[in-house]
Amino acid sequence: DTAVSQTPKYLVTQMGNDKSIKCEQNLGHDTMYWYKQDSKKFLKIMFSYNNKELIINETVPNRFSPKSPDKAHLNLHINSLELGDSAVYFCASSQGTGLFNEQFFGPGTRLTVL
Amino acid sequence: GQNIDQPTEMTATEGAIVQINCTYQTSGFNGLFWYQQHAGEAPTFLSYNVLDGLEEKGRFSSFLSRSKGYSYLLLKELQMKDSASYLCAVKVGGATNKLIFGTGTLLAVQP
Repeated sequence: DTAVSQTPKYLVTQMGNDKSIKCEQNLGHDTMYWYKQDSKKFLKIMFSYNNKELIINETVPNRFSPKSPDKAHLNLHINSLELGDSAVYFCASSQGTGLFNEQFFGPGTRLTVL
Repeated sequence: GQNIDQPTEMTATEGAIVQINCTYQTSGFNGLFWYQQHAGEAPTFLSYNVLDGLEEKGRFSSFLSRSKGYSYLLLKELQMKDSASYLCAVKVGGATNKLIFGTGTLLAVQP
């Protein structure tokens, strides 16, 4: 199936641990994103890569580090996890960054930090 | 700063029409998107407006007034499956495709 996929779907971990979330898209898009959706359902952009180059880097703690090995993959590594990192993380992709570029979202990764 | 406001919750009856409003104050404007998000699922694209006026797509229509910083999503012939959150998002920035999302409106459709 053509889609944006994320692994894992659920992630439960202890404070202080380091974890990674992986994202892959097979839509042939050249731009990928990471969003965080908090408990109030507010969806906020974190990072974006275009052709493996970082183009959006919002005010995010440097414990969060995205990595894009190629156009089809965008991973998110989080160091020293904190309680406030608990949220749903969505990956998305689009073709280009022009005026109208529909973003396709992955199914989300629900991260719970205990 | 960036500010996008939507009502938090709305309730409507199956078969009826509902209008979900969105007002925005953003630094830059390159279009307004509406997304639908069912509980526990990913947001999915509904509509895009960049010029003033109404865009119709089946049971869903979206309106934009750039001078007023205002948009609405109109859902007709409501069905139970339309119960979801509706997210208004403004595209800002030049060379990037950065979307600023509102807090979303949770719509409950009742029989």
